Amino acid sequence: GAVVSQHPSRVICKSGTSVKIECRSLDFQATTMFWYRQFPKQSLMLMATSNEGSKATYEQGVEKDKFLINHASLTLSTLTVTSAHPEDSSFYICSATNRAGNTIYFGEGSWLTVV
Amino acid sequence: QKEVEQDPGPLSVPEGAIVSLNCTYSNSAFQYFMWYRQYSRKGPELLMYTYSSGNKEDGRFTAQVDKSSKYISLFIRDSQPSDSATYLCAMSDSGGSNYKLTFGKGTLLTVNP
Repeated sequence: GAVVSQHPSRVICKSGTSVKIECRSLDFQATTMFWYRQFPKQSLMLMATSNEGSKATYEQGVEKDKFLINHASLTLSTLTVTSAHPEDSSFYICSATNRAGNTIYFGEGSWLTVV
Repeated sequence: QKEVEQDPGPLSVPEGAIVSLNCTYSNSAFQYFMWYRQYSRKGPELLMYTYSSGNKEDGRFTAQVDKSSKYISLFIRDSQPSDSATYLCAMSDSGGSNYKLTFGKGTLLTVNP
């Protein structure tokens, strides 16, 4: 079964509203979680690296005030897309590494559609 | 030049064929190489993980890394319709709990019964 759970798997929101996506590690403590975005027929693009208890590190070109990341516990990281616009519609995927850092587990992804 | 180049395909083969998937990269610092399988609208699933140059075999899957040529391959023997998916190569310059992956675009594979 899945060891990294994302919720919701699909969400539709109105333009201008905010949406929160959760990423949970189910049976291990994830010291680091990564958030990716994948547009149709495109590769996964890393948005930010999230370490438990500290501020996320964002990749160049990713607006930290628009994509709020919180990693409040060793099993949960959240991505909030604020003031969403149609161009934010995408597949958002999180991944998590265990303490040993020898395995990366991916979540099932969350489809966001902004109308 | 993108850091990781991967032919997006699509690639269509008959059942039982040997499939060859490839990626090239430009960053000589990459040392960790991975292949992921992604079914439509799902998260990626790790298939193979290789450190530095060499070959690694796991069942019907063989991963090869040639760091001198900055070229990695994934071979699938006796391909099955259930292998139909997008295959993504990924690589990293460091291990540990904080390593970032750089992905290729993915190759869409269809195995026809």
